[in-house]
Amino acid sequence: GNSVTQMEGPVTLSEEAFLTINCTYTATGYPSLFWYVQYPGEGLQLLLKATKADDKGSNKGFEATYRKETTSFHLEKGSVQVSDSAVYFCALSKSGGSYIPTFGRGTSLIVHP
Amino acid sequence: DTAVSQTPKYLVTQMGNDKSIKCEQNLGHDTMYWYKQDSKKFLKIMFSYNNKELIINETVPNRFSPKSPDKAHLNLHINSLELGDSAVYFCASSQGTGAEEGYTFGSGTRLTVV
Repeated sequence: GNSVTQMEGPVTLSEEAFLTINCTYTATGYPSLFWYVQYPGEGLQLLLKATKADDKGSNKGFEATYRKETTSFHLEKGSVQVSDSAVYFCALSKSGGSYIPTFGRGTSLIVHP
Repeated sequence: DTAVSQTPKYLVTQMGNDKSIKCEQNLGHDTMYWYKQDSKKFLKIMFSYNNKELIINETVPNRFSPKSPDKAHLNLHINSLELGDSAVYFCASSQGTGAEEGYTFGSGTRLTVV
């Protein structure tokens, strides 16, 4: 079946540091890949997506590239801010088949001033 | 306008009670979901409806019963509440499987059973 594995957190960084949160997946065919962000007390929000291999999703300074050869979709940001402190979820979905979305377990990011 | 709205936002109730959570989406999506998020932020899918038809029913106690009166609404009724039901419940919606545009989540209902 499909699965998503994320690095365990929390990830603790100082403001302006470089961020990487690793995500790898297992799926047949060509899934779409997503990163969601959950701020404290809120629901998940779509951060970025990539629907085919080698696509790069980007939003709010965050980027992730769909690497089929390594089955990865790592999230990066060049300079984090305190306001980026949240839980980040990697997810996958496939069209034309199962409606069961697959989410990773989430990675907590804490950014200190 | 809120895209996916859930009510209530907070729910505190005693063990053994029956309660309902309501969800509505105004995005025109044809698929809706209920998720349970535990204290470690793990998201577990519970149910999914596509055009009012139940298509996902994960291993959930039968005390939980979803109902979709139309494709814009998905409610969750819980009978005989137990302490272990305490969690945050999220409603979400998508067009089809969500593979093109992803999912839109509500802001959650924090259920506390005492």
